[in-house]
Amino acid sequence: RKEVEQDPGPFNVPEGATVAFNCTYSNSASQSFFWYRQDCRKEPKLLMSVYSSGNEDGRFTAQLNRASQYISLLIRDSKLSDSATYLCVAHNAGNMLTFGGGTRLMVKP
Amino acid sequence: GAVVSQHPSWVICKSGTSVKIECRSLDFQATTMFWYRQFPKQSLMLMATSNEGSKATYEQGVEKDKFLINHASLTLSTLTVTSAHPEDSSFYICSASSPTLYSNQPQHFGDGTRLSIL
Repeated sequence: RKEVEQDPGPFNVPEGATVAFNCTYSNSASQSFFWYRQDCRKEPKLLMSVYSSGNEDGRFTAQLNRASQYISLLIRDSKLSDSATYLCVAHNAGNMLTFGGGTRLMVKP
Repeated sequence: GAVVSQHPSWVICKSGTSVKIECRSLDFQATTMFWYRQFPKQSLMLMATSNEGSKATYEQGVEKDKFLINHASLTLSTLTVTSAHPEDSSFYICSASSPTLYSNQPQHFGDGTRLSIL
Protein backbone atom coordinates (compact mmCIF):
# COMPACT_ATOMS: atom_id res chain seq x y z
CA ARG A 1 0.00 0.00 0.00
CA LYS A 2 1.32 3.45 -0.91
CA GLU A 3 1.98 5.83 1.95
CA VAL A 4 -0.09 8.59 0.32
CA GLU A 5 -2.94 7.58 -1.98
CA GLN A 6 -5.01 9.65 -4.36
CA ASP A 7 -7.59 8.98 -7.04
CA PRO A 8 -5.64 9.61 -10.26
CA GLY A 9 -8.68 10.95 -12.12
CA PRO A 10 -8.88 12.64 -14.52
CA PHE A 11 -11.65 14.83 -13.23
CA ASN A 12 -13.26 16.58 -16.18
CA VAL A 13 -15.37 19.51 -15.03
CA PRO A 14 -16.91 22.57 -16.67
CA GLU A 15 -15.78 26.07 -15.82
CA GLY A 16 -17.44 27.33 -12.67
CA ALA A 17 -17.91 23.88 -11.17
CA THR A 18 -16.89 22.87 -7.68
CA VAL A 19 -14.59 19.87 -7.47
CA ALA A 20 -13.21 17.94 -4.50
CA PHE A 21 -10.14 15.77 -4.26
CA ASN A 22 -9.43 13.26 -1.54
CA CYS A 23 -6.25 11.80 -0.22
CA THR A 24 -5.48 9.19 2.44
CA TYR A 25 -2.21 8.57 4.21
CA SER A 26 -0.91 5.61 6.17
CA ASN A 27 1.88 7.10 8.29
CA SER A 28 0.23 8.42 11.42
CA ALA A 29 3.53 10.05 12.41
CA SER A 30 3.44 12.44 9.43
CA GLN A 31 3.94 15.92 10.81
CA SER A 32 2.10 18.06 8.34
CA PHE A 33 0.55 18.01 4.92
CA PHE A 34 0.45 20.08 1.79
CA TRP A 35 -1.28 20.29 -1.54
CA TYR A 36 1.00 20.98 -4.48
CA ARG A 37 0.04 21.78 -8.02
CA GLN A 38 2.06 20.42 -10.94
CA ASP A 39 1.64 21.52 -14.53
CA CYS A 40 2.76 19.27 -17.34
CA ARG A 41 6.56 18.94 -17.48
CA LYS A 42 7.05 21.45 -14.68
CA GLU A 43 8.18 21.23 -11.09
CA PRO A 44 5.55 20.97 -8.33
CA LYS A 45 4.51 24.25 -6.76
CA LEU A 46 3.06 24.70 -3.30
CA LEU A 47 -0.67 25.39 -3.41
CA MET A 48 -1.41 25.41 0.30
CA SER A 49 -0.70 23.82 3.63
CA VAL A 50 -3.37 21.69 5.26
CA TYR A 51 -4.49 22.13 8.86
CA SER A 52 -6.86 20.16 11.06
CA SER A 53 -8.92 23.29 11.60
CA GLY A 54 -9.34 23.64 7.86
CA ASN A 55 -7.93 26.50 5.87
CA GLU A 56 -9.09 28.52 2.95
CA ASP A 57 -7.19 30.47 0.33
CA GLY A 58 -9.53 32.18 -2.08
CA ARG A 59 -11.36 29.49 -4.03
CA PHE A 60 -9.37 26.69 -2.41
CA THR A 61 -10.22 24.98 0.87
CA ALA A 62 -8.12 22.24 2.45
CA GLN A 63 -9.01 20.00 5.35
CA LEU A 64 -7.15 17.42 7.41
CA ASN A 65 -8.78 14.71 9.50
CA ARG A 66 -6.06 13.02 11.53
CA ALA A 67 -8.41 10.47 13.07
CA SER A 68 -9.35 9.18 9.62
CA GLN A 69 -5.96 9.98 8.08
CA TYR A 70 -7.77 11.78 5.34
CA ILE A 71 -7.06 15.03 3.52
CA SER A 72 -9.25 16.95 1.12
CA LEU A 73 -9.01 19.83 -1.30
CA LEU A 74 -12.05 21.72 -2.55
CA ILE A 75 -11.87 24.03 -5.53
CA ARG A 76 -14.81 26.34 -6.08
CA ASP A 77 -15.68 28.21 -9.26
CA SER A 78 -13.15 26.26 -11.33
CA LYS A 79 -11.14 28.20 -13.90
CA LEU A 80 -9.53 26.90 -17.06
CA SER A 81 -6.20 27.77 -15.46
CA ASP A 82 -6.89 25.32 -12.63
CA SER A 83 -6.24 22.44 -15.04
CA ALA A 84 -3.23 20.63 -13.61
CA THR A 85 -2.25 17.66 -11.47
CA TYR A 86 -2.80 18.13 -7.75
CA LEU A 87 -0.38 16.33 -5.46
CA CYS A 88 -1.15 15.43 -1.86
CA VAL A 89 2.08 15.52 0.13
CA ALA A 90 2.99 14.31 3.62
CA HIS A 91 5.82 15.96 5.52
CA ASN A 92 7.76 13.50 7.65
CA ALA A 93 10.75 13.56 9.95
CA GLY A 94 14.01 14.76 8.48
CA ASN A 95 12.16 17.22 6.26
CA MET A 96 11.20 14.34 3.99
CA LEU A 97 8.24 14.69 1.65
CA THR A 98 6.16 11.77 0.42
CA PHE A 99 4.07 12.49 -2.64
CA GLY A 100 0.79 10.94 -3.62
CA GLY A 101 0.31 9.83 -7.19
CA GLY A 102 -1.56 13.01 -8.04
CA THR A 103 -5.08 13.76 -9.23
CA ARG A 104 -5.45 15.21 -12.69
CA LEU A 105 -7.99 17.99 -13.19
CA MET A 106 -9.21 19.15 -16.58
CA VAL A 107 -11.47 22.21 -16.58
CA LYS A 108 -13.37 22.60 -19.84
CA PRO A 109 -14.95 25.75 -21.27
CA GLY B 1 13.53 34.16 -1.57
CA ALA B 2 14.46 30.46 -1.42
CA VAL B 3 15.19 30.06 -5.12
CA VAL B 4 16.57 26.79 -6.43
CA SER B 5 18.02 26.64 -9.90
CA GLN B 6 18.47 23.42 -11.83
CA HIS B 7 20.53 23.04 -14.97
CA PRO B 8 20.19 21.93 -17.69
CA SER B 9 16.44 21.94 -18.14
CA TRP B 10 16.51 19.49 -21.04
CA VAL B 11 19.08 17.00 -22.20
CA ILE B 12 18.98 14.67 -25.17
CA CYS B 13 21.92 12.32 -25.58
CA LYS B 14 23.00 8.96 -26.86
CA SER B 15 22.87 5.76 -24.88
CA GLY B 16 26.05 5.22 -22.89
CA THR B 17 26.66 8.90 -22.22
CA SER B 18 27.07 10.22 -18.69
CA VAL B 19 24.95 13.24 -17.85
CA LYS B 20 25.49 15.71 -15.02
CA ILE B 21 22.64 17.74 -13.57
CA GLU B 22 23.31 20.68 -11.27
CA CYS B 23 21.11 21.96 -8.48
CA ARG B 24 21.91 25.31 -6.89
CA SER B 25 20.32 27.21 -4.04
CA LEU B 26 20.69 30.82 -5.14
CA ASP B 27 19.80 32.81 -2.04
CA PHE B 28 20.16 30.43 0.88
CA GLN B 29 22.48 27.75 2.15
CA ALA B 30 20.99 24.32 1.65
CA THR B 31 22.15 21.85 4.25
CA THR B 32 20.08 19.13 2.63
CA MET B 33 19.26 18.49 -1.00
CA PHE B 34 16.91 15.89 -2.38
CA TRP B 35 16.83 14.27 -5.79
CA TYR B 36 13.58 12.97 -7.25
CA ARG B 37 12.67 11.17 -10.43
CA GLN B 38 9.28 11.31 -12.12
CA PHE B 39 8.20 8.99 -14.93
CA PRO B 40 5.26 9.97 -17.16
CA LYS B 41 1.91 9.92 -15.36
CA GLN B 42 3.56 8.93 -12.11
CA SER B 43 4.38 10.89 -9.01
CA LEU B 44 7.71 12.11 -7.76
CA MET B 45 9.82 9.33 -6.28
CA LEU B 46 12.68 10.21 -3.98
CA MET B 47 15.98 8.84 -5.24
CA ALA B 48 18.39 10.11 -2.61
CA THR B 49 19.01 12.64 0.11
CA SER B 50 22.30 14.44 0.42
CA ASN B 51 23.72 16.52 3.22
CA GLU B 52 26.57 18.91 2.56
CA GLY B 53 29.91 17.21 3.03
CA SER B 54 28.44 13.74 3.55
CA LYS B 55 27.70 10.77 1.36
CA ALA B 56 24.21 10.66 -0.05
CA THR B 57 21.58 8.33 1.36
CA TYR B 58 19.91 6.40 -1.44
CA GLU B 59 16.39 5.04 -1.43
CA GLN B 60 15.84 1.33 -1.87
CA GLY B 61 16.20 0.25 -5.47
CA VAL B 62 18.29 3.23 -6.56
CA GLU B 63 21.77 2.25 -7.73
CA LYS B 64 24.30 4.49 -6.08
CA ASP B 65 27.00 3.60 -8.60
CA LYS B 66 24.77 4.63 -11.45
CA PHE B 67 23.39 7.81 -9.91
CA LEU B 68 26.35 9.66 -8.43
CA ILE B 69 25.46 12.49 -6.09
CA ASN B 70 27.88 15.11 -4.89
CA HIS B 71 26.99 17.83 -2.38
CA ALA B 72 30.31 19.54 -1.93
CA SER B 73 29.03 22.96 -0.91
CA LEU B 74 26.02 24.48 0.80
CA THR B 75 24.74 25.84 -2.48
CA LEU B 76 25.44 23.10 -5.00
CA SER B 77 24.56 19.45 -5.45
CA THR B 78 25.10 17.46 -8.62
CA LEU B 79 23.53 14.26 -9.90
CA THR B 80 25.46 12.34 -12.52
CA VAL B 81 23.64 9.62 -14.43
CA THR B 82 26.47 7.35 -15.52
CA SER B 83 26.26 5.37 -18.76
CA ALA B 84 22.67 6.43 -19.27
CA HIS B 85 20.28 4.13 -21.11
CA PRO B 86 16.81 4.76 -22.57
CA GLU B 87 15.15 3.44 -19.39
CA ASP B 88 16.83 6.30 -17.49
CA SER B 89 14.83 8.81 -19.52
CA SER B 90 12.75 10.69 -16.99
CA PHE B 91 12.11 14.04 -15.34
CA TYR B 92 14.67 14.63 -12.59
CA ILE B 93 13.86 17.24 -9.95
CA CYS B 94 15.99 18.50 -7.11
CA SER B 95 14.91 20.29 -3.98
CA ALA B 96 16.73 21.99 -1.16
CA SER B 97 16.04 22.70 2.49
CA SER B 98 17.66 24.44 5.41
CA PRO B 99 16.76 24.43 9.11
CA THR B 100 17.57 28.12 9.34
CA LEU B 101 15.41 29.17 6.44
CA TYR B 102 12.09 30.67 7.44
CA SER B 103 9.69 29.30 4.89
CA ASN B 104 6.13 28.13 4.40
CA GLN B 105 7.32 24.84 2.95
CA PRO B 106 9.92 22.26 3.96
CA GLN B 107 11.61 21.94 0.56
CA HIS B 108 12.16 24.29 -2.36
CA PHE B 109 12.16 22.75 -5.81
CA GLY B 110 14.28 23.34 -8.86
CA ASP B 111 12.68 23.60 -12.29
CA GLY B 112 13.49 20.00 -13.16
CA THR B 113 15.58 18.41 -15.90
CA ARG B 114 14.02 16.42 -18.69
CA LEU B 115 16.43 13.68 -19.69
CA SER B 116 15.91 11.81 -22.94
CA ILE B 117 18.30 9.01 -23.84
CA LEU B 118 18.22 7.85 -27.43
